[in-house]
Amino acid sequence: SQKIEQNSEALNIQEGKTATLTCNYTNYSPAYLQWYRQDPGRGPVFLLLIRENEKEKRKERLKVTFDTTLKQSLFHITASQPADSATYLCALDGERFGAGTRLTVKP
Amino acid sequence: DSGVTQTPKHLITATGQRVTLRCSPRSGDLSVYWYQQSLDQGLQFLIQYYNGEERAKGNILERFSAQQFPDLHSELNLSSLELGDSALYFCASSGDRGETQYFGPGTRLLVL
Repeated sequence: SQKIEQNSEALNIQEGKTATLTCNYTNYSPAYLQWYRQDPGRGPVFLLLIRENEKEKRKERLKVTFDTTLKQSLFHITASQPADSATYLCALDGERFGAGTRLTVKP
Repeated sequence: DSGVTQTPKHLITATGQRVTLRCSPRSGDLSVYWYQQSLDQGLQFLIQYYNGEERAKGNILERFSAQQFPDLHSELNLSSLELGDSALYFCASSGDRGETQYFGPGTRLLVL
C-alpha cells in the first residue's frame, strides 16, 4: 500500500540555520509533490509545488528538491527565523498527506 | 485569509447524532475537497467534488456523505457519530488544474 513518511515528528534548530525536512514515499509515482505549512488549529497553507520532471524549485528562502528514483523530496528553509516555527506537510498529487514535521526555530 | 469559509467553527454533539458541516469555496473555484485531521491520523483525504460531481474518494466512511450544490458550496454530513469521529474537518478548494488547494479554517467536532 502507499506510504508517505516525513523524517521526524519534530525538528529543533537555531535561528539562522538551515532547516531540512524529508518526505519519503513508497508504492506510488506522483505527478507532483506539494509542501504546506500548518499552524496550530489552522488550515494548511500552500508553499511550493514541484513536478515529477523537475529536480529543484525555489521561492525566497524555501527550496524543494524531488528525486523520483529515491522517491524522496527535501524541503529546505534557509536563514530560519522563529516565525518559521510550524508543522510542515508534504502531499502527493494534492490528496495524500504525510503526518508532518513540527519545526521549532529557537532564537 | 484563504477565501474558503467553513461553518460552524466548533461543534459539540453526542454519540449517535448527525451533523452537517458547510463549506464555501473561493470565488471561481470549482473543486471542493474534504479532509479529516485527528491527532493520531494526520490529514486524511475524504472526498473531492468538481462542479457538482464526485471526482475522487478517499478514506470516507459509509456513515459520512457529501455533496456539492449548484452554487458550488459543499456540505459534509456525518451520521451515527462515534467518539472517534472527533477531529478537525477541513474543506479546501482549487481551480481547474487542482494543483494548489486553499484550505478553510476548519470545523472542530467534538463527540461526547
